[in-house]
Amino acid sequence: DAGITQSPRHKVTETGTPVTLRCHQTENHRYMYWYRQDPGHGLRLIHYSYGVKDTDKGEVSDGYSVSRSKTEDFLLTLESATSSQTSVYFCAISESSLGLANEQYFGPGTRLTVT
Amino acid sequence: AQSVTQLDSHVSVSEGTPVLLRCNYSSSYSPSLFWYVQHPNKGLQLLLKYTSAATLVKGINGFEAEFKKSETSFHLTKPSAHMSDAAEYFCVVRQGGTSYGKLTFGQGTILTVHP
Repeated sequence: DAGITQSPRHKVTETGTPVTLRCHQTENHRYMYWYRQDPGHGLRLIHYSYGVKDTDKGEVSDGYSVSRSKTEDFLLTLESATSSQTSVYFCAISESSLGLANEQYFGPGTRLTVT
Repeated sequence: AQSVTQLDSHVSVSEGTPVLLRCNYSSSYSPSLFWYVQHPNKGLQLLLKYTSAATLVKGINGFEAEFKKSETSFHLTKPSAHMSDAAEYFCVVRQGGTSYGKLTFGQGTILTVHP
């Protein structure tokens, strides 16, 4: 398994509170991604990073921000959590996007419940 | 634009019988295609990938998939199902020409294997 850990693995929080999820990799891969998984939607990209301090939005970025101060860590922050952000969040890493064959490797996921 | 359609949301088979999970895609450029598997409460694991080297791709655990450009399909098959194959399967397309390896996920097919 790729060396990807996510913390926390489970979290319950109240509406309006800030939440930060952490993704940590030991593979030294350049690209990191945050996805959310909801029934009937597969996985949808929230934000991604192509290097330290280099990030960009995905298809469902509203209400989320990210930061990457080190190669190995990619943080996802919900500034003010809402019930619609209840989901399972997956981090993924990729060695490079230059080659078409470069697949992404996924972490174990974080189950977030906003009450 | 790219998209993926998994034609069956649920597939049920008996142990020892063949498995067929269907996937159609659309892509403006030559795509890379992947199948991932997700066991309950787990992250996503790569089963196999198509990279234009060969149209018939063999993956882990006896799975294989055939890329058919004329039909824009990438169906996943296995000759004989095992109980441990019960999981959710995602067909994924990665479009060439993107700078960050954007993946588009199908909505998933839940495979049930009966004894």
